[in-house]
Amino acid sequence: QQQVKQSPQSLIVQKGGISIINCAYENTAFDYFPWYQQFPGKGPALLIAIRPDVSEKKEGRFTISFNKSAKQFSLHIMDSQPGDSATYFCAAEIRGNYQLIWGAGTKLIIKP
Amino acid sequence: EAQVTQNPRYLITVTGKKLTVTCSQNMNHEYMSWYRQDPGLGLRQIYYSMNVEVTDKGDVPEGYKVSRKEKRNFPLILESPSPNQTSLYFCASSPATATRGEAFFGQGTRLTVV
Repeated sequence: QQQVKQSPQSLIVQKGGISIINCAYENTAFDYFPWYQQFPGKGPALLIAIRPDVSEKKEGRFTISFNKSAKQFSLHIMDSQPGDSATYFCAAEIRGNYQLIWGAGTKLIIKP
Repeated sequence: EAQVTQNPRYLITVTGKKLTVTCSQNMNHEYMSWYRQDPGLGLRQIYYSMNVEVTDKGDVPEGYKVSRKEKRNFPLILESPSPNQTSLYFCASSPATATRGEAFFGQGTRLTVV
């Protein structure tokens, strides 16, 4: 019930391509869905986030798509660049709980 | 500069030798937490604290202790470390009324227990 399932575990994309990472959840009490980006040797940092009353949120080349009925959300990175190579985590939060439930992470490699 | 500072960054220790990993934040955040990161398992929460003197267990608290005597500091204590606690540890903080889901992470502490 508390899990957030993330896929794929790793992803290789050519420079300029679209990177897509998917997450699914069961608990309908989740009401905030952030994505974090982690570079080697660094802590995760908030990239973009969405609430379930919105189906899509775009910030530059990064877009979250949210499907409330399917309980799924995904991160799309357009025009992927080598500098986007990192590990990406999806997460979910229950209102008032302050606890983030994390996906297992996706290691993204963008090939030049 | 707003930041979460962990020390040490790297630590090798022997089984059973008590150790403390320090965490300090300068953003006056109420909420702090500790995570461990292991390959294929993502980030798992060890303990969290809603405010001074208020702490609670996360998903994997066994073998760890924490304290929150001051708002800025949230040390992680391993009283008798074991090899299965070899991991990458992160401290994080966020304001209680924050932009939802925005946690600020430290640089991490890579712990090896032999």
